[in-house]
Amino acid sequence: GAGVSQSPRYKVAKRGRDVALRCDSISGHVTLYWYRQTLGQGSEVLTYSQSDAQRDKSGRPSGRFSAERPERSVSTLKIQRTEQGDSAVYLCASSYLSGPECYEQYFGPGTRLTVT
Amino acid sequence: DAKTTQPNSMESNEEEPVHLPCNHSTISGTDYIHWYRQLPSQGPEYVIHGLTSNVNNRMASLAIAEDRKSSTLILHRATLRDAAVYYCILRDRAGRRALTFGSGTRLQVQP
Repeated sequence: GAGVSQSPRYKVAKRGRDVALRCDSISGHVTLYWYRQTLGQGSEVLTYSQSDAQRDKSGRPSGRFSAERPERSVSTLKIQRTEQGDSAVYLCASSYLSGPECYEQYFGPGTRLTVT
Repeated sequence: DAKTTQPNSMESNEEEPVHLPCNHSTISGTDYIHWYRQLPSQGPEYVIHGLTSNVNNRMASLAIAEDRKSSTLILHRATLRDAAVYYCILRDRAGRRALTFGSGTRLQVQP
């Protein structure tokens, strides 16, 4: 069946502009995650949300990152006032179960963002 | 979060078994041991997880030391498609839901 998809796959943005990255998760999955992956710093979680919350539970201190969930299986990561340090691969993941027993996350292919 | 230590890289020959080690000496009693792998230009994918007992699934086996301070992911017959970065991750059962990735082990498989 269809897995997690992300769009666009590649995005180039000028510094200071806002960007929005989309994730379509697997139908029925409860929790959605956004991770950022860079060569120098590895992977870190940015935010995650459960199905009953449109607003994100942010793991990232900066207020420039936010996630919205307009539909149960859709999430949009918004980055305001992009900086060159935001250049990275942004990964979306979803999981069926909610709570600490959830063990398997399904990842999308990622969006490679380049800020110039 | 408890930390894991993995070798930066390993090499294997096709159709031979591969043992990928992971040290997690500060693991707590409620931490699960998870393994994910990431193929080139793809997102990570779940491989296997365990708590105390050894685990087997269609992709791999997970051998967990008796003191749980280390574990080994076993690929029984490596194929070229197994070339990837393998991440050993501890998952706190108490409530942290996101995965904390380290630098992983880059596995190269030679034909």
